[in-house]
Amino acid sequence: GNSVTQMEGPVTLSEEAFLTINCTYTATGYPSLFWYVQYPGEGLQLLLKATKADDKGSNKGFEATYRKETTSFHLEKGSVQVSDSAVYFCALSAAEGGKLIFGQGTELSVKP
Amino acid sequence: GAVVSQHPSWVICKSGTSVKIECRSLDFQATTMFWYRQFPKQSLMLMATSNEGSKATYEQGVEKDKFLINHASLTLSTLTVTSAHPEDSSFYICSAINPAGSYGYTFGSGTRLTVV
Repeated sequence: GNSVTQMEGPVTLSEEAFLTINCTYTATGYPSLFWYVQYPGEGLQLLLKATKADDKGSNKGFEATYRKETTSFHLEKGSVQVSDSAVYFCALSAAEGGKLIFGQGTELSVKP
Repeated sequence: GAVVSQHPSWVICKSGTSVKIECRSLDFQATTMFWYRQFPKQSLMLMATSNEGSKATYEQGVEKDKFLINHASLTLSTLTVTSAHPEDSSFYICSAINPAGSYGYTFGSGTRLTVV
């Protein structure tokens, strides 16, 4: 079946450090890929998405590129801020309007 | 933008009672909504897919009689936890598909259920 695997957290970085959170997936066909962010006690917010191979999603300084050859969708940011502290979820959808399958989440803590 | 309102944001109930959680799409019609459950420091587990006007589709291992889902209108889906027990304590999150945007999944802010 379809699945998503993320690097384990927590990840602790200093402000302005470079961030990478790895995400790989297993799926048949051509899924769409997403990164969501969850702040404490809140629901999920879409951070970025990519719907086909080689697409790059970007938002608020975060980027991720859909790599079909490595089945990956790693999240990167060049310079993190304290306000980026949250839990990040990688997810896939096998079909438009279909259910989302989430990775286990990676907690990011950015220290001043 | 698309907004999904989930209510209540937190609830405490006694063991054996039932609790209803509402999920409303405020500015769009949602033919499909999803209900997730999240344990502390864990991922979201899909419980069921709710389709307007038809029965919900439950994921394997989710008790249909325990978690009643009703999607009676294009803007409202409800999840009722029946005869709640402490092990049902969790964070429940709904999501709706916004047809106006490609792959437009919008999430509610979640409901923290504590059964005592």
